[in-house]
Amino acid sequence: AQSVSQHNHHVILSEAASLELGCNYSYGGTVNLFWYVQYPGQHLQLLLKYFSGDPLVKGIKGFEAEFIKSKFSFNLRKPSVQWSDTAEYFCAVNADNTDKLIFGTGTRLQVFP
Amino acid sequence: EAGVAQSPRYKIIEKRQSVAFWCNPISGHATLYWYQQILGQGPKLLIQFQNNGVVDDSQLPKDRFSAERLKGVDSTLKIQPAKLEDSAVYLCASSSRLAGGINEQFFGPGTRLTVL
Repeated sequence: AQSVSQHNHHVILSEAASLELGCNYSYGGTVNLFWYVQYPGQHLQLLLKYFSGDPLVKGIKGFEAEFIKSKFSFNLRKPSVQWSDTAEYFCAVNADNTDKLIFGTGTRLQVFP
Repeated sequence: EAGVAQSPRYKIIEKRQSVAFWCNPISGHATLYWYQQILGQGPKLLIQFQNNGVVDDSQLPKDRFSAERLKGVDSTLKIQPAKLEDSAVYLCASSSRLAGGINEQFFGPGTRLTVL
């Protein structure tokens, strides 16, 4: 069965620190990959997505992610975090062009000024 | 563009009671999803509709959960009778298929259910 692993459950950073959140998936076929963000009190929003082409994708608010097929990974990065990035981040995958999203357990990011 | 609407936002019931949630997707979105998000976990798909037909309900506990999408627009999710382990946030999402066959899901604010 397909699965998504997010190894960092809770990350605490100071403003201006660099961020990398890990995401690994288990599926050998074609995948579409997503990062969603949930700010406190708000609904899930799409941060960025990878369907095909350049494996380095850029999203909103300065976030980017790199798809490394050989490692089954899609890690999220930001060079300098802000207090407003405090949120929960979810990695998700759908496979074989199905619509069903499989989510990871999420990573809670806290950024202190 | 209006987003996905859900109501109620919060609901507290006792076990063995019934409860219903409502979702109104983004206008024109043919596909509608219900997810269950238990505290500390990622959302898990319960059921997917394409227009008013069910595409995937493999993870819906059909002995107590039911969902319908009459007329292919609004949808309701019902739990009867509720159990303690049903305490979760119930998320509704909708999508339309983009060029190339890829879909992007838009989520509503969710309904937080507490079963006592």
